[in-house]
Amino acid sequence: QQPVQSPQAVILREGEDAVINCSSSKALYSVHWYRQKHGEAPVFLMILLKGGEQKGHEKISASFNEKKQQSSLYLTASQLSYSGTYFCGMRGGATNKLIFGTGTLLAVQP
Amino acid sequence: DVKVTQSSRYLVKRTGEKVFLECVQDMDHENMFWYRQDPGLGLRLIYFSYDVKMKEKGDIPEGYSVSREKKERFSLILESASTNQTSMYLCASSPARTSYEQYFGPGTRLTVT
Repeated sequence: QQPVQSPQAVILREGEDAVINCSSSKALYSVHWYRQKHGEAPVFLMILLKGGEQKGHEKISASFNEKKQQSSLYLTASQLSYSGTYFCGMRGGATNKLIFGTGTLLAVQP
Repeated sequence: DVKVTQSSRYLVKRTGEKVFLECVQDMDHENMFWYRQDPGLGLRLIYFSYDVKMKEKGDIPEGYSVSREKKERFSLILESASTNQTSMYLCASSPARTSYEQYFGPGTRLTVT
């Protein structure tokens, strides 16, 4: 079952903050976040591992609540370049397989 | 830089045709993946491979098969294309360890008429 992302879409002005949430009905081992700009391939942003280790982007932060099976991506002081569709991918065990959410469309306006 | 390439950006095929989508990666990654992307449905995993000649079904394998004869190449095969397989197909690769990111190719937009 796919993770649920919220909101489905959000429009911001430059400099505003945004939070994108991702939740799963299954126990999680790690959460991956990707951004896809229009017409381009998804690009890796961040991995959050069970136990708290985090690897990824310096200007974007995220949290991972293992007990609630939820993750949130925090975009602060948004820039025009942040526009795109954000996907969370969740891994439920010792597997290389990710189950991706349905995506959150973020549009940053001047 | 990791590079994942896909054989075509756009492809138009007729119903019933056999379709091959090719993906090549140049970073000696063990894992390779095929996804399809549809509006409102996100990225859905069709098949993945964790080694040469090894494969595992994803969430929507029906109507598809795969082949991995060489480590760098992973092919997606539509045995008999149908209109409901019109979609964007994305290939990805990653190193063996599960905590590593996936690198995506540019995608192939397949239209089946």
